[in-house]
Amino acid sequence: GNSVTQMEGPVTLSEEAFLTINCTYTATGYPSLFWYVQYPGEGLQLLLKATKADDKGSNKGFEATYRKETTSFHLEKGSVQVSDSAVYFCALSSSQAGTALIFGKGTTLSVSS
Amino acid sequence: NAGVTQTPKFQVLKTGQSMTLQCAQDMNHEYMSWYRQDPGMGLRLIHYSVGAGITDQGEVPNGYNVSRSTTEDFPLRLLSAAPSQTSVYFCASSPHMGQGWGQRGRYGYTFGSGTRLTVV
Repeated sequence: GNSVTQMEGPVTLSEEAFLTINCTYTATGYPSLFWYVQYPGEGLQLLLKATKADDKGSNKGFEATYRKETTSFHLEKGSVQVSDSAVYFCALSSSQAGTALIFGKGTTLSVSS
Repeated sequence: NAGVTQTPKFQVLKTGQSMTLQCAQDMNHEYMSWYRQDPGMGLRLIHYSVGAGITDQGEVPNGYNVSRSTTEDFPLRLLSAAPSQTSVYFCASSPHMGQGWGQRGRYGYTFGSGTRLTVV
């Protein structure tokens, strides 16, 4: 079946540190991959996406590369800020998954100054 | 502002009560869905709709009903609330564009701000 596995949190970093949140997936066919971010008390917002192998999604200093050979879509940022504190969700969309987005369980990031 | 609007933002129910969570979007999206978010569980799909008059079940549909009489609205009904339904509920929509999952995959989903429901 289709599934997404994220590293468990919480992840606690100091401001300006390098961030990596690991995400691996299992899917048949050729899924599209997403990172969503949820700030405290808010809904989910699309952070970035990639629709085919070797695509790199980027937004607000965050990047993730669709690696088909390792079935991974790790989220990275070179220098985090306090304002990046949030919950990050990796997700996939696949024709084999019907119409649904399949989410990972989320990783909480806490950045201190 | 264009987007997905959910009401109410907060709700407390007693066990056995019924209620409807409202979801409306003004982007002319054909696809709409309901998710619930629980600690350590991520988001799980309850029901979805690919257009007016068409609905289907997701991963956790028991205890919930939906209908889709218009493109804009997709209400979620709790028939007889149970403490296990305490959760945060999110509505999400996406363009369908008549080409199925591929277009939804490329465009992603727009989420509402959520309804926090507590059943006591």
